[in-house]
Amino acid sequence: NAGVTQTPKFQVLKTGQSMTLQCAQDMNHNSMYWYRQDPGMGLRLIYYSASEGTTDKGEVPNGYNVSRLNKREFSLRLESAAPSQTSVYFCASSGQSYNSPLHFGNGTRLTVT
Amino acid sequence: KQEVTQIPAALSVPEGENLVLNCSFTDSAIYNLQWFRQDPGKGLTSLLLIQSSQREQTSGRLNASLDKSSGRSTLYIAASQPGDSATYLCAVRRSLSYNTDKLIFGTGTRLQVFP
Repeated sequence: NAGVTQTPKFQVLKTGQSMTLQCAQDMNHNSMYWYRQDPGMGLRLIYYSASEGTTDKGEVPNGYNVSRLNKREFSLRLESAAPSQTSVYFCASSGQSYNSPLHFGNGTRLTVT
Repeated sequence: KQEVTQIPAALSVPEGENLVLNCSFTDSAIYNLQWFRQDPGKGLTSLLLIQSSQREQTSGRLNASLDKSSGRSTLYIAASQPGDSATYLCAVRRSLSYNTDKLIFGTGTRLQVFP
């Protein structure tokens, strides 16, 4: 009963390096989301995918790209990491109805030096 | 622009107390409101979801109410226990465009229940 699985759990990058955060869900959900969580700012939506094959920008998409590889997987890529991207990143998924609750992964703690 | 505010930011209470966490939002055009719990170093766990047509939802010792007209929700925790210590976040779900929507989160209330 895995739910939403994120990898890696921790990552340290140097400025300018790239990496991909992986997310997979086993609940057959249509919608998937990437959030970042920063102290005092709450969770902010980076990108979302309402269904397989579609992606859209959220509040803070600059510096990120996403891929909805299939219904299960939704990855987040940082092409050239910056210190401002130091944060905790959460992936979430939900069913098709807007009254379906969101299910979150345990997060990836990213530090960019 | 929708804003979600949670007061207080932190709360420390002795075990056994009944307590109320507050959430307010500026735009009443929402689909629903969700309450989440977040333990340190973990993701968010959904506690209760109140649809826009509902007034309250209950789960065990938790009761959440929703007053759309005033833009307020409360999470009531009865007979608090040390295991309830966590950060509690509320989020409203609203439409972005046709067939898409988003959650807007408050910054949370950090609760500590001491024995």
